[in-house]
Amino acid sequence: AQSVTQPDIHITVSEGASLELRCNYSYGATPYLFWYVQSPGQGLQLLLKYFSGDTLVQGIKGFEAEFKRSQSSFNLRKPSVHWSDAAEYFCAALGSGTYKYIFGTGTRLKVLA
Amino acid sequence: GAVVSQHPSWVICKSGTSVKIECRSLDFQATTMFWYRQFPKQSLMLMATSNEGSKATYEQGVEKDKFLINHASLTLSTLTVTSAHPEDSSFYICSASRLAGETNTGELFFGEGSRLTVL
Repeated sequence: AQSVTQPDIHITVSEGASLELRCNYSYGATPYLFWYVQSPGQGLQLLLKYFSGDTLVQGIKGFEAEFKRSQSSFNLRKPSVHWSDAAEYFCAALGSGTYKYIFGTGTRLKVLA
Repeated sequence: GAVVSQHPSWVICKSGTSVKIECRSLDFQATTMFWYRQFPKQSLMLMATSNEGSKATYEQGVEKDKFLINHASLTLSTLTVTSAHPEDSSFYICSASRLAGETNTGELFFGEGSRLTVL
């Protein structure tokens, strides 16, 4: 079955520290991959997406993600976290030829001052 | 950019009443919209896929008579929670996929969400 896994439910980092949020997918073929961020009580905002080509994808707010086919992973990174990055982060996948997205369970990021 | 607007952003209603939530794509046409339900501190659960001019496709376990979805135009989909009960209290989020020609760009554009509280 197709699935998206975010192993970390909660992550706490200090402001200025680096960040990596993990995402693994299970699909028959490589899906389109996305990272979304959700602030409390808000909808989701797209951070970045991977369709094909360069496996290192740059997004908004200083985020980047690296697609690794061999590991079926699409981890999100940021070199220096800001307090405003505290939010819920969702990894999502979309199979080619389908409109049905599959979301991971989310990782809640807490940033310490 | 593509904007999806959801209304109302929050609503409180009495048990037994019906509540309608609107989802509009403001600057693009969306032949397909999606309705999600999100429980506190959980991921998004796809409820149904709304297709303009046709019946919605509901996910397994979602009561179609309870959650009525109408996609009357290319820019508007509505979700009506009928005879709402306290267990229907949740955060409901809509999203829309924009097609560029015949290509699905893949990105979902989300509304701001609607928080429903049923007393």
